[in-house]
Amino acid sequence: AQSVTQPDIHITVSEGASLELRCNYSYGATPYLFWYVQSPGQGLQLLLKYFSGDTLVQGIKGFEAEFKRSQSSFNLRKPSVHWSDAAEYFCAFLSQGAQKLVFGQGTRLTINP
Amino acid sequence: GAGVSQSPSNKVTEKGKDVELRCDPISGHTALYWYRQSLGQGLEFLIYFQGNSAPDKSGLPSDRFSAERTGGSVSTLTIQRTQQEDSAVYLCASSWPGQGNTEAFFGQGTRLTVV
Repeated sequence: AQSVTQPDIHITVSEGASLELRCNYSYGATPYLFWYVQSPGQGLQLLLKYFSGDTLVQGIKGFEAEFKRSQSSFNLRKPSVHWSDAAEYFCAFLSQGAQKLVFGQGTRLTINP
Repeated sequence: GAGVSQSPSNKVTEKGKDVELRCDPISGHTALYWYRQSLGQGLEFLIYFQGNSAPDKSGLPSDRFSAERTGGSVSTLTIQRTQQEDSAVYLCASSWPGQGNTEAFFGQGTRLTVV
C-alpha cells in the first residue's frame, strides 16, 4: 500500500544544534514528496517539495531535504535550529496521477534553550 | 482572498446534532481538499473536489459525512448526527489549476468538539 512513515513521534534538540527528521515512503515509482510545518494553532505551511531532478532541495526557513531512492527516504535537515522552529512537521507524498496528498503521522519538534 | 479561510474556527456541539463546516479557498484555485486531524494523529484525507465535482470521496468515514462545493468556490462539509469520535480539527486546502494538488495551501482549520 502507498504510505509514508515518520518513525520519530517526538524529537527534542537544543537551540543551535543540527536537526534531521526522518521520512520513508512506500511506493513503486518516484512520488512527489513534500514537507509541511504546523506551528501551534496554525495551519500547515509548505517547507519544500521534490518532484524530480536534483535530489537535494532547498526550502524556506533554512530547511533542506534529500531524496534517496535507494532508501525510499526524504529526510528533512537544518544545520542550526532556532526556538521558533518548535512545531509539528509532516512529510507527505503524492503518487503520480493521484489527486491527494498522503501524510505521515508527524514529528513534534521541541527546542531546548 | 489572501488565503484559505475556514469557519467557524471552533465549534462545540452536542452528540447527535448536525454541523456544517465552511471552507473558502484561494480565489482561482479549482482543486479543494478536506482533511481531518485527530489528536496526536496525522492528517486523514476525506474528500477532493475539482471544480464542483468530487472525483475522490474515498476518505469519508461514514454516510454521516457529506460535502459539496458550489460555484467552484466555497465548500461545506456536513456531519450529521455527530458522534464523539468526530471530534477533531478539520482542515481544508486548495491548489492552483493545472498542478493537481502539487502545492496545497491550507486553512487554519475548524476544531470540532462533540460533547
